[in-house]
Amino acid sequence: GENVEQHPSTLSVQEGDSAVIKCTYSDSASNYFPWYKQELGKRPQLIIDIRSNVGEKKDQRIAVTLNKTAKHFSLHITETQPEDSAVYFCAASRQGGSARQLTFGSGTQLTVLP
Amino acid sequence: NAGVTQTPKFRILKIGQSMTLQCTQDMNHNYMYWYRQDPGMGLKLIYYSVGAGITDKGEVPNGYNVSRSTTEDFPLRLELAAPSQTSVYFCASSSGQGITDTQYFGPGTRLTVL
Repeated sequence: GENVEQHPSTLSVQEGDSAVIKCTYSDSASNYFPWYKQELGKRPQLIIDIRSNVGEKKDQRIAVTLNKTAKHFSLHITETQPEDSAVYFCAASRQGGSARQLTFGSGTQLTVLP
Repeated sequence: NAGVTQTPKFRILKIGQSMTLQCTQDMNHNYMYWYRQDPGMGLKLIYYSVGAGITDKGEVPNGYNVSRSTTEDFPLRLELAAPSQTSVYFCASSSGQGITDTQYFGPGTRLTVL
């Protein structure tokens, strides 16, 4: 099955700096890569996703890049703000015979220092 | 729309007891999922369903059962609770259409087995 590894497990940045979180996946058939943000005690919420036929996607201060050859993808947050502090999870999946099954990374605790 | 709702929010069980975690969605989604999230870890898929009457095992199904009698509801049953089942349980749903097929999560149920 799919295996997703996520690094780093914790990340502290100064407000206004950029943050980068990296994930690698094992299944070359995976074709969909969402990123979720989870604030303390809350549900995971989708912040951005990318399909395997796209190399980069941006949404305001957030961007995701995908390298299919190397089987890794990254989340980039620019101009970080205190409200960006949360746990971020990457995930990977492929469209199989039934429901899309997401395999999650272990998460990155991002702390933005004021 | 309320989205995905879960009850209860918190529960403490004694070893060997049973309980049902409730999940309801009002988005007319075909696909529903149950995940568990252990402290400091990512989410692991327990069971999923692609429609009423159809369920299938995920990565960690042992000790759990599910049913899907309606499109809206997807209860998770724990039989003979064990301390290893102490976790936060999230239900999710998705439309089942398109490559991205975003999964929307409920608020979670925090379960402690003592």
